[in-house]
Amino acid sequence: GDSVTQMEGPVTLSEEAFLTINCTYTATGYPSLFWYVQYPGEGLQLLLKATKADDKGSNKGFEATYRKETTSFHLEKGSVQVSDSAVYFCALSDRRGRLYFGRGTQLTVWP
Amino acid sequence: ETGVTQSPTHLIKTRGQQVTLRCSSQSGHNTVSWYQQALGQGPQFIFQYYREEENGRGNFPPRFSGLQFPNYSSELNVNALELDDSALYLCASSQSGGAEETQYFGPGTRLLVL
Repeated sequence: GDSVTQMEGPVTLSEEAFLTINCTYTATGYPSLFWYVQYPGEGLQLLLKATKADDKGSNKGFEATYRKETTSFHLEKGSVQVSDSAVYFCALSDRRGRLYFGRGTQLTVWP
Repeated sequence: ETGVTQSPTHLIKTRGQQVTLRCSSQSGHNTVSWYQQALGQGPQFIFQYYREEENGRGNFPPRFSGLQFPNYSSELNVNALELDDSALYLCASSQSGGAEETQYFGPGTRLLVL
């Protein structure tokens, strides 16, 4: 069945460091791919998405490219800030619109 | 534009009881999905409603049931609560439920079963 595997955390970085969170997926068909972010005590917010191979999603300095050949959707940011501290979830959406999530990666950024 | 809202925010129940959680979808959205997020895990799909009909179900037992109303708000009902049902329950709405659609999440209801 469809599934997502993402890098387990926690990840701890200093402010302005480079961030990569790895995400790979298994799916039948052609899923859409998403990164969601969850701040403490809150629900999930969409960070970015890509709906077909080679698409790049981007938002707030974060980027991820839909790589069909490696079944990956790694999240990157060139310079993290303290305010980026949160839990990040990689997810895929099947053709019926069901989301399958990874286990989440806790990111902590220190000043 | 009002986002997705859920009630209550927190709830404590005992094993064997029944619970109803509520969700109001974002304006203009006719599809609602429910997810269960256990502590330290990613959300898991429970089921989806599209225009008042169930439109797919995840690997959850029949004691998890739902409804969608004509205004597209939704309820999640859980009967015969078990300790493992303790989790954050998230509701998400989208315009039509397709694969490319963004689902917008509410803040969740945190359920504790004692």
